[in-house]
Amino acid sequence: GQSLEQPSEVTAVEGAIVQINCTYQTSGFYGLSWYQQHDGGAPTFLSYNALDGLEETGRFSSFLSRSDSYGYLLLQELQMKDSASYFCAVRGRGSTLGRLYFGRGTQLTVWP
Amino acid sequence: DTAVSQTPKYLVTQMGNDKSIKCEQNLGHDTMYWYKQDSKKFLKIMFSYNNKELIINETVPNRFSPKSPDKAHLNLHINSLELGDSAVYFCASRPTSGGTDTQYFGPGTRLTVL
Repeated sequence: GQSLEQPSEVTAVEGAIVQINCTYQTSGFYGLSWYQQHDGGAPTFLSYNALDGLEETGRFSSFLSRSDSYGYLLLQELQMKDSASYFCAVRGRGSTLGRLYFGRGTQLTVWP
Repeated sequence: DTAVSQTPKYLVTQMGNDKSIKCEQNLGHDTMYWYKQDSKKFLKIMFSYNNKELIINETVPNRFSPKSPDKAHLNLHINSLELGDSAVYFCASRPTSGGTDTQYFGPGTRLTVL
């Protein structure tokens, strides 16, 4: 089966940097994704890592270490609008059509 | 230019009723999904269709029946609604090729069973 662990909540102030960790256990692995969800909204795709290393997209970066079954999402120059839930997700074996297993989400609160 | 749309956005109904949720995507994607998000925000896949064919059917009560009339539409019918069915249901779509796991989610349907 698949399991993902991420912190349930993180708080930070505007302008700060925050890192949200995700560890996973899967039978086979194709990639680690991150999604953002604002209250009352839909999940939206942020980033995807299939290979080890850091992927940068503006203020957000995502890192993957397949040997450690670990990844993180790094949010820099935090803004109030970054307050949301962040989900890591993995696609495991036998899911060639994109079945994703989601973590339980990390609620990020950004304070002024 | 809505990419993935769902109707209705809110659905309040009594236990035992039957209801449907509709989903449409105009992205030209081959694969569509239904997810259920509970009150603790746990997002779990229910079904997946690829080109109108059922591909994934997680352990979901058979009161839930998806139907895909064409690859742009995926509807969800729920019979004999129960209190535990209260949740937000998200439709999503994904291109079959592309190399990422990007899924595009609809706005969600908040179902409340009284």
